[in-house]
Amino acid sequence: ETAVFQTPNYHVTQVGNEVSFNCKQTLGHDTMYWYKQDSKKLLKIMFSYNNKQLIVNETVPRRFSPQSSDKAHLNLRIKSVEPEDSAVYLCASSYRLGGRYTGQLYFGEGSKLTVL
Amino acid sequence: AQKVTQTQTSISVVEKTTVTMDCVYETRDSSYFLFWYKQTASGEIVFLIRQDSYKKENATVGHYSLNFQKPKSSIGLIITATQIEDSAVYFCAMREGEGSALGRLHFGAGTQLIVIP
Repeated sequence: ETAVFQTPNYHVTQVGNEVSFNCKQTLGHDTMYWYKQDSKKLLKIMFSYNNKQLIVNETVPRRFSPQSSDKAHLNLRIKSVEPEDSAVYLCASSYRLGGRYTGQLYFGEGSKLTVL
Repeated sequence: AQKVTQTQTSISVVEKTTVTMDCVYETRDSSYFLFWYKQTASGEIVFLIRQDSYKKENATVGHYSLNFQKPKSSIGLIITATQIEDSAVYFCAMREGEGSALGRLHFGAGTQLIVIP
């Protein structure tokens, strides 16, 4: 069943505009992630976040920023999009078992961004 | 540096046969976790199976099993009695070590599986 919800599923915009993608999970997980999947299907971690810690992949440009109001929500903001930002952005969540991350991710359906 | 490598871009098999997808990884951790995920044509990504490095037994879930060869840093996915609905892209993934990584995964490039009737 779908338990990680992303909106919008599609967005077309022009270079220089600001874009935001929203993500909500109803699984009660404490950690959320944003992954970028490019046209070759390569999946790359962008951000890892729980209510205490944010880890940013060093390759992520500064125009990208995560925003969270609580542990069930992790949004992604792109301040000024570039053509290379065209991709599918996937939100995921995970949980710990006995204090350790299981590595089992639950993904949303993805948000496809097209930058003209 | 690439941590997870899947060299097979695409594999085609006849329905009801067995297929093996390869994956090799790099890590300095003494304890680590390996995963396989499936992405369907709709884009949905689902967890399939997991192998803990300290376990000698190969993991098995339904018609998915793993061929874990630790000395070779290899974790192959075996699908027996393939079905049409197994057609998808399969990703191998490795979890970073403990502590500050927050359990994030690094994925391979994926292998497209096509099951032919």
